[in-house]
Amino acid sequence: SQQGEEDPQALSIQEGENATMNCSYKTSINNLQWYRQNSGRGLVHLILIRSNEREKHSGRLRVTLDTSKKSSSLLITASRAADTASYFCATDAWGQNFVFGPGTRLSVLP
Amino acid sequence: KAGVTQTPRYLIKTRGQQVTLSCSPISGHRSVSWYQQTPGQGLQFLFEYFSETQRNKGNFPGRFSGRQFSNSRSEMNVSTLELGDSALYLCASGGSPFLEQYFGPGTRLTVT
Repeated sequence: SQQGEEDPQALSIQEGENATMNCSYKTSINNLQWYRQNSGRGLVHLILIRSNEREKHSGRLRVTLDTSKKSSSLLITASRAADTASYFCATDAWGQNFVFGPGTRLSVLP
Repeated sequence: KAGVTQTPRYLIKTRGQQVTLSCSPISGHRSVSWYQQTPGQGLQFLFEYFSETQRNKGNFPGRFSGRQFSNSRSEMNVSTLELGDSALYLCASGGSPFLEQYFGPGTRLTVT
């Protein structure tokens, strides 16, 4: 399976600091996506990066993809308390369903 | 556009009963996927429908089934409920099976 695995499992930072989360997967993919989930609610799509892209930005988010290492990272700059949530990476490959990792729980302390 | 809606939002059932959950995708979206989320197993893929056809199925027993209607609305059914079926069931829709998915708020199912 191409299951993604996020690292670390939990992360606590102060407001204004940057947060970096990593995702590793096992097989070739088409796309890798990052989602955010606030406690017990639906997931919100953050960003999609295709297998032929290496870096993508969206506001305070920066995602990198290294297909040779089968890994991706999500950087949130100048974090805010509202960024407190769980973050998941999801991978897909042709003919296969989305696979989500176990998530990183981010706590941004005021 | 209205987002993905799921009904009901909360449900309490007894072991052995069956349950049907409903999902209305974003207008124009033809792909609907279902996920089960539990603290122990995380987000697990149940099945995905595209234009009324099941395209992919996760590793769940046959007690879990689903369908999609011509208007893209989808239902999932769980028969003979077990305590372990207690979970947040999330529905997601997309314009294509391989692009970003838009999630509903989920249905919280508690089996007692």
